[in-house]
Amino acid sequence: AQRVTQPEKLLSVFKGAPVELKCNYSYSGSPELFWYVQYSRQRLQLLLRHISRESIKGFTADLNKGETSFHLKKPFAQEEDSVMYYCALTIGMRFGAGTRLTVKP
Amino acid sequence: DVKVTQSSRYLVKRTGEKVFLECVQDMDHENMFWYRQDPGLGLRLIYFSYDVKMKEKGDIPEGYSVSREKKERFSLILESASTNQTSMYLCASSLSSPLHFGNGTRLTVT
Repeated sequence: AQRVTQPEKLLSVFKGAPVELKCNYSYSGSPELFWYVQYSRQRLQLLLRHISRESIKGFTADLNKGETSFHLKKPFAQEEDSVMYYCALTIGMRFGAGTRLTVKP
Repeated sequence: DVKVTQSSRYLVKRTGEKVFLECVQDMDHENMFWYRQDPGLGLRLIYFSYDVKMKEKGDIPEGYSVSREKKERFSLILESASTNQTSMYLCASSLSSPLHFGNGTRLTVT
């Protein structure tokens, strides 16, 4: 069965420090993965998708099929990055439990 | 821009009531989904639909049913609401991917 695991429910870093939000998936085929973000009192919105290989708001994510991972990274965290992040697998439209990132000043 | 509209932002119902949560999208999307969002559990898929009058169970369908009579509308039905169904309910639609979400309905069952 398809499954997405985000092992960290809470993650805290200092402003300017690098940040990595972990995401692992279980799927035997070729996955399509996304990161969604949810700002306070707003709807979930797409942050980035692995096939586009783009950087959004300084975030990047690389699909590692060997490790079945799709970790989200940013070299220098900003206070406005303090929101909820969800990793999602398109097959079956499954989501992880989410990671709440806090960037301390 | 895709608009997914959930009819109620907040809803309070009593145990045993039949509850309807409505979702409408305006982009002619084939696929529609219902999730519930709980702290620490993330989004869990309740039901989804790939076409009118078609429905598929997600991971937690117990206690819920759905209706899709028209392409733009996907309704979630709680046949007999219980307190453990107190949650945030999110509707989403897509053509293929990604998903476009509504604002959510926070349902409280007392």
